[in-house]
Amino acid sequence: DAGVIQSPRHEVTEMGQEVTLRCKPISGHNSLFWYRQTMMRGLELLIYFNNNVPIDDSGMPEDRFSAKMPNASFSTLKIQPSEPRDSAVYFCASTIRAGLDTEAFFGQGTRLTVV
Amino acid sequence: DAKTTQPTSMDCAEGRAANLPCNHSTISGNEYVYWYRQIHSQGPQYIIHGLKNNETNEMASLIITEDRKSSTLILPHATLRDTAVYYCIVGSGGSNYKLTFGKGTLLTVNP
Repeated sequence: DAGVIQSPRHEVTEMGQEVTLRCKPISGHNSLFWYRQTMMRGLELLIYFNNNVPIDDSGMPEDRFSAKMPNASFSTLKIQPSEPRDSAVYFCASTIRAGLDTEAFFGQGTRLTVV
Repeated sequence: DAKTTQPTSMDCAEGRAANLPCNHSTISGNEYVYWYRQIHSQGPQYIIHGLKNNETNEMASLIITEDRKSSTLILPHATLRDTAVYYCIVGSGGSNYKLTFGKGTLLTVNP
């Protein structure tokens, strides 16, 4: 398996533009997580899905952020409108199930720069 | 989820064992201890996890104290490629499952 695949790897956009980050989890995994990493705040969990259903979105910073998982093999994280403070590395991770005794596999991340 | 405390940084000589401590004094009975690491610019990588018993795999060993209030990750023969930030995480399963990362320990393996 190719692992968790994120695209794009790098994104540079202007303030106010819409940004869409994409994630393909490992086949057969039922849970998917979106994280954001900055120097100041470290790794923050934004939202996670179980069987394509959002379970906990308490980490989503504000209404400008939205995430969807239309099927088991694809998820998006959208920022509209984007702001310079959204600049960060965004990671997607998947696990075979959300529960005890599991390991999470992370993608390589998308480095977002909003200018 | 229980909170964890780790040293900010540690050094280790190449070829020697690296012992990374973690305190999790508020851990509850059904919470596991997970260790992940993040090599610069890469996504976090799973290392090992455990509940009560000590665990060993091809990457590392995890020693959990009997009262479960602390644990130690052991890299038996550290290499330069083991230089990374190591995260100790305590989490439970079910609908509240999530991995909450702290600041971790920056382990630097020196030649």
